[in-house]
Amino acid sequence: DAGVIQSPRHEVTEMGQEVTLRCKPISGHDYLFWYRQTMMRGLELLIYFNNNVPIDDSGMPEDRFSAKMPNASFSTLKIQPSEPRDSAVYFCASSSDTGSYEQYFGPGTRLTVT
Amino acid sequence: DAKTTQPPSMDCAEGRAANLPCNHSTISGNEYVYWYRQIHSQGPQYIIHGLKNNETNEMASLIITEDRKSSTLILPHATLRDTAVYYCIVSPNGGSNYKLTFGKGTLLTVNP
Repeated sequence: DAGVIQSPRHEVTEMGQEVTLRCKPISGHDYLFWYRQTMMRGLELLIYFNNNVPIDDSGMPEDRFSAKMPNASFSTLKIQPSEPRDSAVYFCASSSDTGSYEQYFGPGTRLTVT
Repeated sequence: DAKTTQPPSMDCAEGRAANLPCNHSTISGNEYVYWYRQIHSQGPQYIIHGLKNNETNEMASLIITEDRKSSTLILPHATLRDTAVYYCIVSPNGGSNYKLTFGKGTLLTVNP
């Protein structure tokens, strides 16, 4: 398996623009997680899904952020409108509903909002 | 979720064992101890986890005290590539409360 795939790897956009980050989890995994990492706040969980259903979105910063998982092999994290403080590395991770529940992380998307 | 306490940084000589401590004195009975690490600019990587028994895999060993209030991750023969931030996390294993809360972790620097 190719592992968790994220796109784009780097995104530079201007304040006010819409940004969409994409994630393809490992095939067969039941959980999908979105994290954000900044120097100030460290690695934070934004939202996670189980079987395509959002379970906990308490980490989503505000209404400008939304996440969807239309099927088991694809998820998006959208920011609209983007702000400079959204600049961060966004990680997607997936895990199986059986076994050790270890999470496999993607390479991340580095977002810069100017 | 129970919180963990880790030293902010540690050094280790290449080829020697690295012992990373973690305090989780408020851990609940259904919470596991997970260890992840993050090498610079990469996504976190799972290392090992356990409930109450000591565990070993190809990467590391996990020693959990009998009262479960603390644990130690052991890298038996550290290499330069083990330089990373190591996170100790406690979480239920699966279910609706399953999520990982990352703290600041321990920056392990392996020196030649």
